[in-house]
Amino acid sequence: GAVVSQHPSRVICKSGTSVKIECRSLDFQATTMFWYRQFPKQSLMLMATSNEGSKATYEQGVEKDKFLINHASLTLSTLTVTSAHPEDSSFYICSARGWGGVYNEQFFGPGTRLTVL
Amino acid sequence: DQQVKQNSPSLSVQEGRISILNCDYTNSMFDYFLWYKKYPAEGPTFLISISSIKDKNEDGRFTVFLNKSAKHLSLHIVPSQPGDSAVYFCAASEGGSLGNLIFGKGTKLSVKP
Repeated sequence: GAVVSQHPSRVICKSGTSVKIECRSLDFQATTMFWYRQFPKQSLMLMATSNEGSKATYEQGVEKDKFLINHASLTLSTLTVTSAHPEDSSFYICSARGWGGVYNEQFFGPGTRLTVL
Repeated sequence: DQQVKQNSPSLSVQEGRISILNCDYTNSMFDYFLWYKKYPAEGPTFLISISSIKDKNEDGRFTVFLNKSAKHLSLHIVPSQPGDSAVYFCAASEGGSLGNLIFGKGTKLSVKP
C-alpha cells in the first residue's frame, strides 16, 4: 500500500512553455500533498504544501505565480511550471500523506526530471 | 542555515558489516525524525522514524538512535547488503509526523560485496 505515482517521469520542453506534472496517490486518500525540488547533490527542498480543496501554501522564495499547484481531489495534485526557463530544470518530487496509521507518513512519488532548453 | 546536516557525503562499507549513517540537527523544536532511502532518478522511500520521546527504534536490520542532548541521530544497518547501496536522507519535523519535513543533503552508501 501507500503508492504514489508521478507523470511524466521525464519531460523536455522549450523555454517559455508551460509544463504540467501530475501526482497521484493510488491506494489511499491524500489529505495533504507536498511538492519538492532537488538539485544535484542537494537535499530535497519543500516548495509548497497543498490540502485538498484549498489553496497551496508556498515556502519562502517560491513564486506562486510560476509554480501553480492544484489539489483538486484526494488522489490528485498537479504542479504547473509556467513560462519555464532553463534555471527551472530540476528533479521535482511530490509526496502524499493520508490520515491515520501508516498513512501519517509522507510517501513519495518517483519524481519528474524537467529539462528546459 | 541548514537545520539538518549530514556531514558525510559518502560512506563505503563491506557487505555483512555495520553501516552507520549520521545526522545532526540544530532546531531543538524538532520532535520527529525519519530516514529515507533514495535510488537515482527515483523518489525517496521511507525507512524508519523515531519520535523525540524515544531514543531508539528498531525495524529488522535498521535501527535509529536519537541523542536529543547532542541533537544527533544515527541509522545503523546490520548486516549491510549490496542492495542497501543508495543515498540516505535524514529528515526532521516539528509537530510530529504531521509537520513539514526538513531534509539533510544525504549520504551515499556503497556496500561492496
